[in-house]
Amino acid sequence: AQKVTQAQTEISVVEKEDVTLDCVYETRDTTYYLFWYKQPPSGELVFLIRRNSFDEQNEISGRYSWNFQKSTSSFNFTITASQVVDSAVYFCALSEANSGYALNFGKGTSLLVTP
Amino acid sequence: KAGVTQTPRYLIKTRGQQVTLSCSPISGHRSVSWYQQTPGQGLQFLFEYFSETQRNKGNFPGRFSGRQFSNSRSEMNVSTLELGDSALYLCASSLIQGQVGELFFGEGSRLTVL
Repeated sequence: AQKVTQAQTEISVVEKEDVTLDCVYETRDTTYYLFWYKQPPSGELVFLIRRNSFDEQNEISGRYSWNFQKSTSSFNFTITASQVVDSAVYFCALSEANSGYALNFGKGTSLLVTP
Repeated sequence: KAGVTQTPRYLIKTRGQQVTLSCSPISGHRSVSWYQQTPGQGLQFLFEYFSETQRNKGNFPGRFSGRQFSNSRSEMNVSTLELGDSALYLCASSLIQGQVGELFFGEGSRLTVL
């Protein structure tokens, strides 16, 4: 069963638009961790954020913000005023005790920002 | 500080052959994890090593194996290669065991099996 669902396969926006990437997860553990990683064309995954299940505070880092809602099992990621350099594949991931805390990734959302 | 280094970056093998991929973690990191990335299956966890011991293993056949050396460098081996093993193999290192903290990924080894 898919543990992490990223329903949006591809998103295309024009520079300066805001864009939200959706992530829905499934777990029975009470302690778990959620992540977002960015994969540019070079291939390496770059860590963006980690949230544990006891911290539902939303977070903002520059143009990036994350909305964690346990009630809907969602951990959405918003980029404000998108830039061409934001073009990449973004992965949401879940780490839970049930899997020995291995990262379970969603299929990813490919974001294309055009000038 | 040097990042995670994976070698080789690209390689081509034929069915039935075996391959060994290498990963040098960030200095001081004792945990090394391996992931397989394919267009169809996405990113899938292979295994994690911490202090030379395999701590966790994903759902892959026994043809996939790995090890970690005392200097934390890790290798993974795939024997009797199949066409479906064509993938980007990513290595990640971290300070602590388990993927609960920030992982630092290498650029991967892209394996093509013909």
